[in-house]
Amino acid sequence: KQEVTQIPAALSVPEGENLVLNCSFTDSAIYNLQWFRQDPGKGLTSLLLIQSSQREQTSGRLNASLDKSSGRSTLYIAASQPGDSATYLCAVFSGGYNKLIFGAGTRLAVHP
Amino acid sequence: GAVVSQHPSWVICKSGTSVKIECRSLDFQATTMFWYRQFPKQSLMLMATSNEGSKATYEQGVEKDKFLINHASLTLSTLTVTSAHPEDSSFYICSAGQRTSGVQETQYFGPGTRLLVL
Repeated sequence: KQEVTQIPAALSVPEGENLVLNCSFTDSAIYNLQWFRQDPGKGLTSLLLIQSSQREQTSGRLNASLDKSSGRSTLYIAASQPGDSATYLCAVFSGGYNKLIFGAGTRLAVHP
Repeated sequence: GAVVSQHPSWVICKSGTSVKIECRSLDFQATTMFWYRQFPKQSLMLMATSNEGSKATYEQGVEKDKFLINHASLTLSTLTVTSAHPEDSSFYICSAGQRTSGVQETQYFGPGTRLLVL
C-alpha cells in the first residue's frame, strides 16, 4: 500500500530563511511526484511535477528533488516571504494504484 | 488555461437534506473527473473517479448510495450528498484530468466546496 508522509507537519520561520520540506513514500514504483500549494479554504495549485525519470525541477525560488529509489522528495524554498505562507502538499501518482495519493501536508507560516 | 470551477463554494444545510456540488472544466474536455474529501488539517482522500457516460468507481469505504456521482459530459460532473449528516461536513474538492501521455493524466483542481451540515 502506498503511503505518503510529510515532515514537518508545521513550520514557522522568519522572512528570508531558506526552507526544506520533506516528503517520503513507501512504494517507489511511481510515475511522478507533485508538489501543491493550498491556501486556507482554497483548492490546490500545482507548483512542480517531477517525472520518475527526473531528479529535480525548478520554478523561481522553488526547487524540488526526487530520489525514487529511497522514496524521498524535498521541496526547497529560497528566501522565504510572508506570501509563501500556506500548506504544501506532496502527492505521488502510481500506475499500480492509478490515482494521486497525497501526504497530509506541511503548514508553513512565514512571519515578517 | 486548464481552469476548473466548483459551485457552490460553500453550503450550509440541515441534516437529512441532499446537497449537489458541480464541477466544471471551463476550457478543456476532461477525460476523467475526480472527487476528493478533505477534513481539517488532513490530507485529500480520493472518494471516486468518474468517466463521462459511465458509472463512477468508488474508493473502498465510500458509500456509493450516499455520494452519488453523475458525469453527464466531458466538462461537467456532479456530486450529490444524499441525506446529509453532520459527519458529512467537510471540504470537497474536484479535479479534472487531461491525459498527457500513456496512462498519465494531469489533474487540474477546483477551488473546493465547504459543506456544513447542521
